[in-house]
Amino acid sequence: KNEVEQSPQNLTAQEGEFITINCSYSVGISALHWLQQHPGGGIVSLFMLSSGKKKHGRLIATINIQEKHSSLHITASHPRDSAVYICAAREDDSWGKLQFGAGTQVVVTP
Amino acid sequence: DVKVTQSSRYLVKRTGEKVFLECVQDMDHENMFWYRQDPGLGLRLIYFSYDVKMKEKGDIPEGYSVSREKKERFSLILESASTNQTSMYLCASSNLLGFGTEAFFGQGTRLTVV
Repeated sequence: KNEVEQSPQNLTAQEGEFITINCSYSVGISALHWLQQHPGGGIVSLFMLSSGKKKHGRLIATINIQEKHSSLHITASHPRDSAVYICAAREDDSWGKLQFGAGTQVVVTP
Repeated sequence: DVKVTQSSRYLVKRTGEKVFLECVQDMDHENMFWYRQDPGLGLRLIYFSYDVKMKEKGDIPEGYSVSREKKERFSLILESASTNQTSMYLCASSNLLGFGTEAFFGQGTRLTVV
């Protein structure tokens, strides 16, 4: 059983809609990353969270440490937001190993 | 602009071939990682290195080896490629504290073994 679970696996939204992706983890963590992977494979870092909430443009990430849950929200979604979104939990050990969720494929249609 | 660069975007190799995947980072990072990514499974750690000539097994090291002769370069070696090693391979790097404010990844190598 994967220690990091993401939902949904796939999501289709119309342009302008509000999107939420959820991530639950069972390991003790020191931080949680949200990553974006576009077709072609390259991965970029969106956020690193250890508590509370972060916002960058139309993207908002929240984390609840007690409930071991994080969410990524996309407001006013746009077709260029179409990508795979991955959460990765940084384990609370000596070198910070990452445990990855399976990813959420997001498609935003015009 | 900081970068992690993988030598190939796409590779097609035959079963039994020895395959080298190269990764170079220009951030002077101590840690380097090799992952494979398969549909529904997410990224899984194959090997990582925390210093030159040092290596540690990850979750799925079988069938792979690695080499780190210089700080900036981390190579993944498939000693005898098999069809079940067809996958997307991603290299990443971080400083000694692990993935801090950012996780730096290469663009990925899609390997097909026929």
